[in-house]
Amino acid sequence: GENVEQHPSTLSVQEGDSAVIKCTYSDSASNYFPWYKQELGKRPQLIIDIRSNVGEKKDQRIAVTLNKTAKHFSLHITETQPEDSAVYFCAGYYGNNRLAFGKGNQVVVIP
Amino acid sequence: DAGVIQSPRHEVTEMGQEVTLRCKPISGHNSLFWYRQTMMRGLELLIYFNNNVPIDDSGMPEDRFSAKMPNASFSTLKIQPSEPRDSAVYFCASSHGATDTQYFGPGTRLTVL
Repeated sequence: GENVEQHPSTLSVQEGDSAVIKCTYSDSASNYFPWYKQELGKRPQLIIDIRSNVGEKKDQRIAVTLNKTAKHFSLHITETQPEDSAVYFCAGYYGNNRLAFGKGNQVVVIP
Repeated sequence: DAGVIQSPRHEVTEMGQEVTLRCKPISGHNSLFWYRQTMMRGLELLIYFNNNVPIDDSGMPEDRFSAKMPNASFSTLKIQPSEPRDSAVYFCASSHGATDTQYFGPGTRLTVL
């Protein structure tokens, strides 16, 4: 089965700096990797995703990179702003169409 | 589109009572997922349906939990009898296809006393 590793930790960054979160996965057949952002007391919301046929995808200040050989993918947030403070979850699909979530990373942007 | 709708938003009940959580997926979505979120275990998939048929219920913790999807626009998750360790936020999500983007509902915060 799929195992998506995302060590629970808190990442504190100064406003304007960049934040990077990395996840690893175990199933080499996985081909879709979404990232979700969850603000306190709210629902997880998709912010960006990547499929295994590309190595990088950008959307304004957010980018995701995928290294299929090493089986890891990363979320990059540039020019961080206070509203970027949230918990970020990576996820990956495996065999029977189950979406496995990592444990989440708390990002705190310090004004 | 109103998005995924869940009810109730909050539920407080006593141990041993039956709890029913409800979900209305986004119109046109064929897949529906029930998740449970706790601090200790994170986001766990309980069960998912494709075209109203349960595909994988291996995440359902025990027989006290059951889920149904009688039609494309409605699903329920039932806990009977409820226990304090069932306290969590329960999310419903839907997607167009099983491997497409999942959209989450606002969640139901369940507290079992």
